[in-house]
Amino acid sequence: DGGITQSPKYLFRKEGQNVTLSCEQNLNHDAMYWYRQDPGQGLRLIYYSQIVNDFQKGDIAEGYSVSREKKESFPLTVTSAQKNPTAFYLCASRTSQGAIGNQPQHFGDGTRLSIL
Amino acid sequence: GEDVEQSLFLSVREGDSSVINCTYTDSSSTYLYWYKQEPGAGLQLLTYIFSNMDMKQDQRLTVLLNKKDKHLSLRIADTQTGDSAIYFCADISGGYNKLIFGAGTRLAVHP
Repeated sequence: DGGITQSPKYLFRKEGQNVTLSCEQNLNHDAMYWYRQDPGQGLRLIYYSQIVNDFQKGDIAEGYSVSREKKESFPLTVTSAQKNPTAFYLCASRTSQGAIGNQPQHFGDGTRLSIL
Repeated sequence: GEDVEQSLFLSVREGDSSVINCTYTDSSSTYLYWYKQEPGAGLQLLTYIFSNMDMKQDQRLTVLLNKKDKHLSLRIADTQTGDSAIYFCADISGGYNKLIFGAGTRLAVHP
């Protein structure tokens, strides 16, 4: 079955540690996204990538980094510079084929990151 | 910047209709989406509407769009306990298909 796989489901970070969240999709989608979700708030865009080897900052990129070396993969690193990393992280992807509105974003099941 | 607002909580009786409302500020919106999130899970696309439409129906779901008032609603007919979730309204913004999300409406369905 095609879909978006995020791993791990739960992740714990120690002070001063970088951690990497995995996002893999087998939908052959061109664009991929990372969002952060905090309780009682909507999703906020961290980074996005429209094609391989290219990515752009979203609204809250500080303290995060990404790479897009393969079409299928878009890992997110939460660095020690991110002082409040506890949140639910969601990865999404979409195709670039067809009219823009017919290209809704599809989401993975998320990774919950907590501070130890 | 663009903004999307939703009421945070709605409680309905099983079998009744639920209406979740959303307002947005971007007058150039082309597509608006409704997503559903169950506890601990990602977002599931429910439906979307193009800005030149007033209404879209998909089984138990009806989306109404009032473009003049920038108001969007999602009606769920015959609401069931399995409909209990958080519902997000989202608006496309910008050339890269960036989605602007509301804070989500938590729907609670009781017997």
